[in-house]
Amino acid sequence: GAVVSQHPSWVICKSGTSVKIECRSLDFQATTMFWYRQFPKQSLMLMATSNEGSKATYEQGVEKDKFLINHASLTLSTLTVTSAHPEDSSFYICSQKGGLYEQYFGPGTRLTVT
Amino acid sequence: GENVEQHPSTLSVQEGDSAVIKCTYSDSASNYFPWYKQELGKRPQLIIDIRSNVGEKKDQRIAVTLNKTAKHFSLHITETQPEDSAVYFCAASQRDSSYKLIFGSGTRLLVRP
Repeated sequence: GAVVSQHPSWVICKSGTSVKIECRSLDFQATTMFWYRQFPKQSLMLMATSNEGSKATYEQGVEKDKFLINHASLTLSTLTVTSAHPEDSSFYICSQKGGLYEQYFGPGTRLTVT
Repeated sequence: GENVEQHPSTLSVQEGDSAVIKCTYSDSASNYFPWYKQELGKRPQLIIDIRSNVGEKKDQRIAVTLNKTAKHFSLHITETQPEDSAVYFCAASQRDSSYKLIFGSGTRLLVRP
């Protein structure tokens, strides 16, 4: 399967600051990437679908102005959490759409907002 | 939109016994149903999947069954081993939604040695 990396693997930031998470496809050109959020002991919740060269499609209840997604190339999608608050602390995971059905997940980024 | 329910939330079995996890979905248009295993702090790992044109699929100790009429699918793990202990998630997706995954709530499986 495809190899997907995320950077950073963990980040601590202060409340009110912004943080950017990168999701890279290392060996596959991904026209579609997905961003998920996972709170402790909970399931993965889809935040948005990111398509290369176009605006992301956000799931209901996800603030598009707070979670900025950019998919400027076939190998890179970024998620920026703006004005982060402690309730944004979570595990953020990206995935790359492979073939027709498959998704390849990145290793995740643990965000802690103090 | 699609909604996936998963039961049980926790499951404890003796090593060597079988484990069954069940999921139901709401959207009849869903046609792809993967199962993931996730260890603490790690990414989800695909363990088996099934498409809507198949009723059952097996891979060694793991099998998945799908009942399209009832809109439910199940994961079966036989001869469980301690290393099977993890959180398992079912998911559903469909072509009309770019095959985005809607996950169930997860099952924490504990295999007692």
